[in-house]
Amino acid sequence: EAQVTQNPRYLITVTGKKLTVTCSQNMNHEYMSWYRQDPGLGLRQIYYSMNVEVTDKGDVPEGYKVSRKEKRNFPLILESPSPNQTSLYFCASSLGWDTGELFFGEGSRLTVL
Amino acid sequence: AQSVTQLDSHVSVSEGTPVLLRCNYSSSYSPSLFWYVQHPNKGLQLLLKYTSAATLVKGINGFEAEFKKSETSFHLTKPSAHMSDAAEYFCVVSDQNTGFQKLVFGTGTRLLVSP
Repeated sequence: EAQVTQNPRYLITVTGKKLTVTCSQNMNHEYMSWYRQDPGLGLRQIYYSMNVEVTDKGDVPEGYKVSRKEKRNFPLILESPSPNQTSLYFCASSLGWDTGELFFGEGSRLTVL
Repeated sequence: AQSVTQLDSHVSVSEGTPVLLRCNYSSSYSPSLFWYVQHPNKGLQLLLKYTSAATLVKGINGFEAEFKKSETSFHLTKPSAHMSDAAEYFCVVSDQNTGFQKLVFGTGTRLLVSP
């Protein structure tokens, strides 16, 4: 089954404790992206990657890092989480950057105390 | 810069009645427009997309949207609501100049369907 898998789905952590949210897709997609969803703000792009070893900042990259060492994986790293990073995070992928159709994971709800 | 405005944060309809979710966009170039749906505790799923072909776009589950350049609108409609349509809907814009990696999402419209 074609899918985007995120882990963990739910996480409660404390300020400053490094964490990684993994994202993996099995569709051989070139383009991957991370979004955060906050009430009343819609989805905002954090980082995206157009292919292996090619990443770029989205609209809200502060406090986040990413890497794309393999085509299928695109982890999101919070080196020192803060409470303002409490949010619902989505990973998405697409066959190419210009196809317009994103496939989303089911989301990771992160709470930073 | 491109932007979208979803005019209603919540829309309530009865099962079997028409659905109208409103979206206005702002774009400097020829826009591509999308509607995505998010069911509870799920990721977003593409409903339909407009990319400068036919102005009336048909999507999945009986939804359609009409691109009206003169009104800068891209409203989503369905003739008859079903209980399973209850979800949150996002209007999305991307300038073809910048590519689809710069999608801009609206703030969402929650559709409530009552029996």
